[in-house]
Order: sequence, then structure tokens, then C-alpha cells
Amino acid sequence: KQEVTQIPAALSVPEGENLVLNCSFTDSAIYNLQWFRQDPGKGLTSLLLIQSSQREQTSGRLNASLDKSSGRSTLYIAASQPGDSATYLCAVRTGNQFYFGTGTSLTVIP
Amino acid sequence: NAGVTQTPKFQVLKTGQSMTLQCAQDMNHNSMYWYRQDPGMGLRLIYYSASEGTTDKGEVPNGYNVSRLNKREFSLRLESAAPSQTSVYFCASRGWDRGVEQYFGPGTRLTVT
Repeated sequence: KQEVTQIPAALSVPEGENLVLNCSFTDSAIYNLQWFRQDPGKGLTSLLLIQSSQREQTSGRLNASLDKSSGRSTLYIAASQPGDSATYLCAVRTGNQFYFGTGTSLTVIP
Repeated sequence: NAGVTQTPKFQVLKTGQSMTLQCAQDMNHNSMYWYRQDPGMGLRLIYYSASEGTTDKGEVPNGYNVSRLNKREFSLRLESAAPSQTSVYFCASRGWDRGVEQYFGPGTRLTVT
């Protein structure tokens, strides 16, 4: 069974800092990995999706990398802003199913 | 496009009561999913439907039933609610569109007393 772990569980940084969120998974036979953002009391919004054949994806200040063989992904956020405060979840797809990590709760302090 | 919609947004049930959570998507996606989200547990898959007319169990199916009514709608039923089913329930659909594969509804916050 696929297990997805996210470290750290919570992170607090001052505004402007660059930061890295980590995601690891136990079964490397994945189709893709997706990073989501979740604001309190809301649903999930997709940030970036990396196909299993890709190494990284970028969108604005976000960059996600994937090392499938070692079962790891990182989400890099450049020049963090208070509006980035949210919970970030990663999910891997195996077959028709998605497996989610427990998330990293990020607080950016003005 | 409304995307994925869920009703109701909030619900309080007494132990033993039944209810159905409704989900609909207007993106013509084949696959739909029901998850529950509990503090410290992440999202766990309850049931999914890979296509109209098929449903499969996920990680935590006990106590739930689902119906894929048509391509648009996928409902989740609690026949006899238990306090352990207090959670936030999310419906999602899967389809490929501009770098996004899974789309989520806003969630239903269910409390069972």
C-alpha cells in the first residue's frame, strides 16, 4: 500500500524567505504527483502536477521537483508572502487511486 | 462552469440517522471520488467510480455506500451514522485540463452526535 509522508507538519517563516516543503512516497510506481493548497475550511486547489517522466514543474514562484526512484518530491516557494499561508498537500496517483500526505501547515509572518 | 459541487455544506446527524451527500461535476469527467479528511490523517479515499456504472472501494469504505447515478453525479450514503464518521467529506473528479488532473468540491462538514 502506498504511504505518503510530508515533513515538516508545520512551518513558520518570516515574509520574503525561500522555503522547501518535502513529500516522500513508498511505492515508486506512480503515474504522477500533484501538489495542492488548502485554505482553512476550503477545498483543495491544484498548484502543480508532475508526470512520472518529468523532473520538475514551475509556476510563478513555485517549483516542484520529482525524484521517482528515491520516492521524493519537493515544493520550493520563493520569496514567501503572507498570502501563501495555507496547508500544502502532495498526492501521488497509482492506477485509478490517489494517495495523500497529511500536509504541511505553512504560516508566513509579515 | 461550476466545476465540482457538493450539497449540503454542513450537516449534523444523530447516531443511527441516515443521509446522502450529493456531488455533481460539469466537466464531463469519467472518474469521481469520495474522500474524508480528519485532523492529522490527511485525505483518505472512501469509494471511487472510474466510469459511469462502476464503483470500487477505497481505503475506508466501511459504513458507506455510493451510487454513480450518471456521468455527472456521484452520491455517498451513510445508512446508520456513527460518531466516528464525523469528518469533512470531499468529492473530486478526475480529468486532464491544463496541467490539473483532480478537481475538488468545497466539502461537506458532517458532525454525528
